[in-house]
Amino acid sequence: EIVLTQSPATLSLSPGERATLSCRASQSVSSFLAWYQQKPGQAPRLLIYDASNRATGIPARFSGSGSGTDFTLTISSLEPEDFAVYYCQQRRNWPPLTFGGGTKVEIK
Amino acid sequence: QVQLVQSGAEVKKPGASVKVSCKASGYTFTSYFMHWVRQAPGQGLDWMGIINPNAGSATYAQKFQGRVTVTRDTSTSTVYMELSSLRSEDTAVYYCARDYHGAGSYLGYWGQGTLVTVSS
Repeated sequence: EIVLTQSPATLSLSPGERATLSCRASQSVSSFLAWYQQKPGQAPRLLIYDASNRATGIPARFSGSGSGTDFTLTISSLEPEDFAVYYCQQRRNWPPLTFGGGTKVEIK
Repeated sequence: QVQLVQSGAEVKKPGASVKVSCKASGYTFTSYFMHWVRQAPGQGLDWMGIINPNAGSATYAQKFQGRVTVTRDTSTSTVYMELSSLRSEDTAVYYCARDYHGAGSYLGYWGQGTLVTVSS
């Protein structure tokens, strides 16, 4: 089973700042990695798939990069609605599909 | 537009079973695999399994093997997830999610979630 480790666990930033979130895989997942956003009381939402492709309707301030074992989600300028928990997920080797433990982006 | 509507919250006793439904609309039901994911209170996401609605075949995460069964009814475009031998650790929100591309990739559309509480 591929283990995904996200860092940091919590990121404290102000609106307008740049957010950089990391996801590291225990073995190569090539580019088969996605990022999700989850707000309290809501289901997750797919943001990025195949490491760098934005899902339908996702704003351009969200971008993904990386391949192999190291991946980054960047939010170029935080909007108030971006404060949430973010998860990465791999589909290189399944079952099972696996998720990272999450990074909470909170208002500083 | 793609919509996944799940059944309502459940309270079960330890040892019982629960069956959660997920009714799909807005797309061709048999063309996209459906996943089940759960989230314990304050915790992360845990993938449980996937079904091919066309063939009816399902694949499960090993940790749930023997306790989970995912089925579908093509006449009503509904997928079901049944979890048996419930214990307190199964208390969680259970989500169905439609595959983004079709078969075993990413979770592109999600249901609203169903809270299952296991308590004596």
